[in-house]
Amino acid sequence: GAVVSQHPSRVICKSGTSVKIECRSLDFQATTMFWYRQFPKQSLMLMATSNEGSKATYEQGVEKDKFLINHASLTLSTLTVTSAHPEDSSFYICSATLPRGETQYFGPGTRLLVL
Amino acid sequence: SQQGEEDPQALSIQEGENATMNCSYKTSINNLQWYRQNSGRGLVHLILIRSNEREKHSGRLRVTLDTSKKSSSLLITASRAADTASYFCATAYEAGNNRKLIWGLGTSLAVNP
Repeated sequence: GAVVSQHPSRVICKSGTSVKIECRSLDFQATTMFWYRQFPKQSLMLMATSNEGSKATYEQGVEKDKFLINHASLTLSTLTVTSAHPEDSSFYICSATLPRGETQYFGPGTRLLVL
Repeated sequence: SQQGEEDPQALSIQEGENATMNCSYKTSINNLQWYRQNSGRGLVHLILIRSNEREKHSGRLRVTLDTSKKSSSLLITASRAADTASYFCATAYEAGNNRKLIWGLGTSLAVNP
């Protein structure tokens, strides 16, 4: 149980385009989803917390207009990287929790490369 | 920002040996969790230890927590090549209606066959 999927697993795009990443909880309803960014050989950096039906809460230093998050249902959250630039290239990982859950269940990640 | 520090940053051992990783944190916690990440993949939850617990076991994993020293350790006994991965500790705290995790920098473990 508690499986989270992400799509796509890998994406290459041109600078200036927008990329949408989907995060789905497959067998449970996730009231809260988290979006992280991870640079090579580094730890996870929390970007934002997404609650179903409300606006995402962004961490300090994360541009909300750059990284658009939508959590329209209890099983789906999307992260859209708008007007992507090479510096946005990274590994993006989502996680989901059960209501008041303490454990986060992670998706397999999406590797974004902006040319 | 991340508050956890882990040591060692990298650890290389032979199959069958034990691996010990340490994690320190700075603030009060509800619980501390250990996760594993295989290269280029998502993270998998290993074990959670609450602030009022001192030790916890799960299979070949043993986790200790010393809240007075604000530190935790993860011991993997009888390591296998398949244990090769990065291991992260994360401390949980309340942020409004959400519970967030603050992540350590991770320990990269290589188990050589």
